[in-house]
Amino acid sequence: DVKVTQSSRYLVKRTGEKVFLECVQDMDHENMFWYRQDPGLGLRLIYFSYDVKMKEKGDIPEGYSVSREKKERFSLILESASTNQTSMYLCASSRGGSYNEQFFGPGTRLTVL
Amino acid sequence: QKEVEQNSGPLSVPEGAIASLNCTYSDRVSQSFFWYRQYSGKSPELIMSIYSNGDKEDGRFTAQLNKASQYVSLLIRDSQPSDSATYLCAVKPYSSASKIIFGSGTRLSIRP
Repeated sequence: DVKVTQSSRYLVKRTGEKVFLECVQDMDHENMFWYRQDPGLGLRLIYFSYDVKMKEKGDIPEGYSVSREKKERFSLILESASTNQTSMYLCASSRGGSYNEQFFGPGTRLTVL
Repeated sequence: QKEVEQNSGPLSVPEGAIASLNCTYSDRVSQSFFWYRQYSGKSPELIMSIYSNGDKEDGRFTAQLNKASQYVSLLIRDSQPSDSATYLCAVKPYSSASKIIFGSGTRLSIRP
């Protein structure tokens, strides 16, 4: 079974703090993704990575950066957290090639005060 | 026009009946189609993938794909209260190597 884990289920931070969200997958998947999900707005892609050290912007990259130093790990960084970044953050991975099914981690509910 | 469209619901279905969830997509040459189930407060869980025209069955779930009409559906037979969730349709556009586009989801409620 594919296992995608995220470092925290719940996180509370203050405005202006630097926030790190970590995601690890154990199935040697090529692709990894970060989404945020807000009521009424659905899933929105922030960044994705198709290989180590490779990244591409998604639909809403502003205010975020990412890091992928190892194949199994993909980090989302909020350089200076703001209240409008309060959201559910979801990490996903996929094998790549003809196999595009994405498998999600449990999510991190981030609250920025 | 949204790339992947779903009726937001809620769709209310009596227990034991067939629930029918629908999705349309705009990219005519899309190749891969997925259905995810998401319980409230949880992350999406993949329940079906379909790649070619026709029906694909897995237990109580049947995915149906009609590429000419740009339409994909999910049927849930013998609906159970545990099927109450939001169902997300997702499509891989031809132009994308790895991204998939998610619809906003249909909320399904199974009433006892």
